[in-house]
Amino acid sequence: QSALTQPPSASGSPGQSVTISCTGTSSDVGGYDYVSWYQQHPGKGPRLMIFDVRKRPSGVPDRFSGSKSGNTASLTVSGLQAEDEADYYCSSYAGSNNLVFGGGTKLTVL
Amino acid sequence: EVQLLESGGGLVQPGGSLRLSCAASGFSFSNYAMNWVRQAPGKGLEWVSVITGGGTNTYYADSVKGRFTISRDNSKNTLYLQMNSLRADDTAVYYCAKSMGNSGWYRFDNYWGQGTLVTVSS
Repeated sequence: QSALTQPPSASGSPGQSVTISCTGTSSDVGGYDYVSWYQQHPGKGPRLMIFDVRKRPSGVPDRFSGSKSGNTASLTVSGLQAEDEADYYCSSYAGSNNLVFGGGTKLTVL
Repeated sequence: EVQLLESGGGLVQPGGSLRLSCAASGFSFSNYAMNWVRQAPGKGLEWVSVITGGGTNTYYADSVKGRFTISRDNSKNTLYLQMNSLRADDTAVYYCAKSMGNSGWYRFDNYWGQGTLVTVSS
């Protein structure tokens, strides 16, 4: 099972919005509404930011939002803050009891 | 408070074996599927394996199938990963991660361990 495709990097200035894409196929992202997004700061474990495409766990700011269109899911971070600088990973159920992650996107706050 | 604490990582030679453990607390362990996810140095996340709450069902990524075995001891609230025939590309930080429930295991909760480093090298 191939990994989902994410851009290696993304950036934005404080207060701006940035969107990170996650492209798969009809067998994973396009076939199921089980896309999640994780934030990971250097040396730390992943933190769940979005699950089921667009749901936010408690404690995650509403500046973070998720969406999906066809085989591509997206994470949008609005009102960028310095602490948002981190690596972001998407994941999707891929059927047949398999889960795939994206390669990760390094978000830089300029 | 949910806590997951991995242990058992270390340096092992190619072809060797290692068993990882993940001690869980703060929730009804047997009611939740549990996962192992790994991250090679400087690389992305890779799902490795899952086991359902009662231990009946286990699933593996193709990259570890036939070499790794996931198990759990619900009386000890502990998750395990037995890793055999280790290769250099198994070198990674291994995290245990809790699912949101027992069905729909692919919906991970926001509870991950701190990770344990496995290095496969001669």
